[in-house]
Amino acid sequence: EIVLTQSPGTLSLSPGERATLSCRASQSVSSSYLAWYQQKPGQAPRLLIYGASSRATGIPDRFSGSGSGTDFTLTISRLEPEDFAVYYCQQYGSSPLPMYTFGQGTKLEIK
Amino acid sequence: EVQLVESGGGLVQPGGSLRLSCAASGFTFSSYEMNWVRQAPGKGLEWVSYISSSGSTIYYADSVKGRFTISRDNAKNSLYLQMNSLRAEDTAVYYCAREGPYSGYVQLGYWGQGTLVTVSS
Repeated sequence: EIVLTQSPGTLSLSPGERATLSCRASQSVSSSYLAWYQQKPGQAPRLLIYGASSRATGIPDRFSGSGSGTDFTLTISRLEPEDFAVYYCQQYGSSPLPMYTFGQGTKLEIK
Repeated sequence: EVQLVESGGGLVQPGGSLRLSCAASGFTFSSYEMNWVRQAPGKGLEWVSYISSSGSTIYYADSVKGRFTISRDNAKNSLYLQMNSLRAEDTAVYYCAREGPYSGYVQLGYWGQGTLVTVSS
């Protein structure tokens, strides 16, 4: 079973700054199966990035995803007030059985 | 517009049962794979179960295998999660989530608002 480890656990930044969030997998992950989600308090998660680097419809271009193999990154180029939330990476694997796995999340908070 | 609306959550005693429902609209329900994902209070996301579009293929997380049963009724545009032998650690908000919309990739592009299940005596 693949384990996703996100770092840091909490990131304190100011609006206008650049945020870099990391997601490391315990085994190689297909980029096609790596996604990022944003979740705000009291809300359902929202898909941001699919296929490791493609933005979902309606997601601002300040959000970008990159990486391959075991190391993936979500970058927010210039933080807006509405970007402060919790971010999760997720992978889909088929060994030993098909299943989704989520990272434990990175909380992006206002400094 | 895709809409997923969960219902059926509530307070249940340990060892009890509960059936969650997810009503889908705004898309051809019978064409899409569906999942249940849960989130314990203050914790992260945990995938629970998957069902194929026809219902013929089903998978579960180890934590619920043998206790939970996922099903769907494509004629009623509805997804279900029958939860038996509930434990305190099953306390969570349960989300139904639709796969897609980007073909060739795997992602959960649509989520309901969630329904809270509390297991406590």
